[in-house]
Amino acid sequence: AQSVSQHNHHVILSEAASLELGCNYSYGGTVNLFWYVQYPGQHLQLLLKYFSGDPLVKGIKGFEAEFIKSKFSFNLRKPSVQWSDTAEYFCAVNAPYGGSQGNLIFGKGTKLSVKP
Amino acid sequence: DVKVTQSSRYLVKRTGEKVFLECVQDMDHENMFWYRQDPGLGLRLIYFSYDVKMKEKGDIPEGYSVSREKKERFSLILESASTNQTSMYLCASRTQGNYGYTFGSGTRLTVV
Repeated sequence: AQSVSQHNHHVILSEAASLELGCNYSYGGTVNLFWYVQYPGQHLQLLLKYFSGDPLVKGIKGFEAEFIKSKFSFNLRKPSVQWSDTAEYFCAVNAPYGGSQGNLIFGKGTKLSVKP
Repeated sequence: DVKVTQSSRYLVKRTGEKVFLECVQDMDHENMFWYRQDPGLGLRLIYFSYDVKMKEKGDIPEGYSVSREKKERFSLILESASTNQTSMYLCASRTQGNYGYTFGSGTRLTVV
């Protein structure tokens, strides 16, 4: 069965620090990859997604992620975080030709707290 | 702006009650999903539906059922609520062939 691992449960950074959140998945076939963000009290929103092509994907609010197929990874990065980036971040994977009927499989989430 | 609307933001129910959580989408999406979100466990799929009157079990269907009588509405039913069903419930939808989901704001259910 496919699975998604997010390495950090809670990350605490000061403003202007650089961010990298790890995400690894277990599936050997074609995958689509996503990062979602949930700000406090709000619904889940799509940050960015990768389907094919350039493995470096740029999303909203200055976030980017790099797909490294050989490492089964899709890490999220931001060069300089702001207090408003405080949120929970979820990595998700979909295997369109694999199991789970193409549904998204989510990681357990990483809480990011940014200190002003 | 496309929307997935969950009828209640907060609900408090008693153990043993039958609970209905409603979700409506206005995007004519074929696929709809119910997840529960718990701290440290992420999002876990309860049930999903690919079309009207169709339903499929997700990873944790026990204690739940669903109903999809109309394309835009997907209801989650807790037949007899228990305290371990206290959670945040998220509804999502997507169109066929598009893998991105649109989420509702969630219903925080407390069973006492």
